[in-house]
Amino acid sequence: AQSVAQPEDQVNVAEGNPLTVKCTYSVSGNPYLFWYVQYPNRGLQFLLKYITGDNLVKGSYGFEAEFNKSQTSFHLKKPSALVSDSALYFCAVRDNTNAGKSTFGDGTTLTVKP
Amino acid sequence: DGGITQSPKYLFRKEGQNVTLSCEQNLNHDAMYWYRQDPGQGLRLIYYSQIVNDFQKGDIAEGYSVSREKKESFPLTVTSAQKNPTAFYLCASSASWGLAGSLEQFFGPGTRLTVL
Repeated sequence: AQSVAQPEDQVNVAEGNPLTVKCTYSVSGNPYLFWYVQYPNRGLQFLLKYITGDNLVKGSYGFEAEFNKSQTSFHLKKPSALVSDSALYFCAVRDNTNAGKSTFGDGTTLTVKP
Repeated sequence: DGGITQSPKYLFRKEGQNVTLSCEQNLNHDAMYWYRQDPGQGLRLIYYSQIVNDFQKGDIAEGYSVSREKKESFPLTVTSAQKNPTAFYLCASSASWGLAGSLEQFFGPGTRLTVL
């Protein structure tokens, strides 16, 4: 069985400071990892993914994530937070079968204060 | 414009009624999914379909049914057997495994179902 843990329900940062949203996973075989963002009353939007290759993945809106196999982590990062980054962030892991199921974490609410 | 549409945006149901939520995609994706989102919780998978005329139960399929008669459409019926149906429902799609660069899911805007 696969699982995802987002250990922080909420992350608060000041605008201009770096942000990190944590994610750890458990999956048999090679993991396929994703970050999504959700704004209030909207669907999720894809930010970035790790499939294979470079452990540092760059995505939309200046976000990046680092895949760490030994720590089974895939933390989301941004060097300088914006107020507009405030949203609900989900980490997800997917199995490597055809159109396999994704398992989502419970989400982390990011609040960036001016 | 390519994407996923869901309708209606808001839906109200009386207890004991079945309701059907619509999901349509024009991305030519093989796989489609239905999730349920409750306040303060993550997404829980209800049903998914890898290909037309085939679908599998997810983690919380009881009280729900789906069909996949066309590639672009994956409607979800919330039956009267679902005891606590008030939630935000999200439909998603993804390309098949054969397109290794496109494994991410694309989500619709959601339908908020309220039981009166």
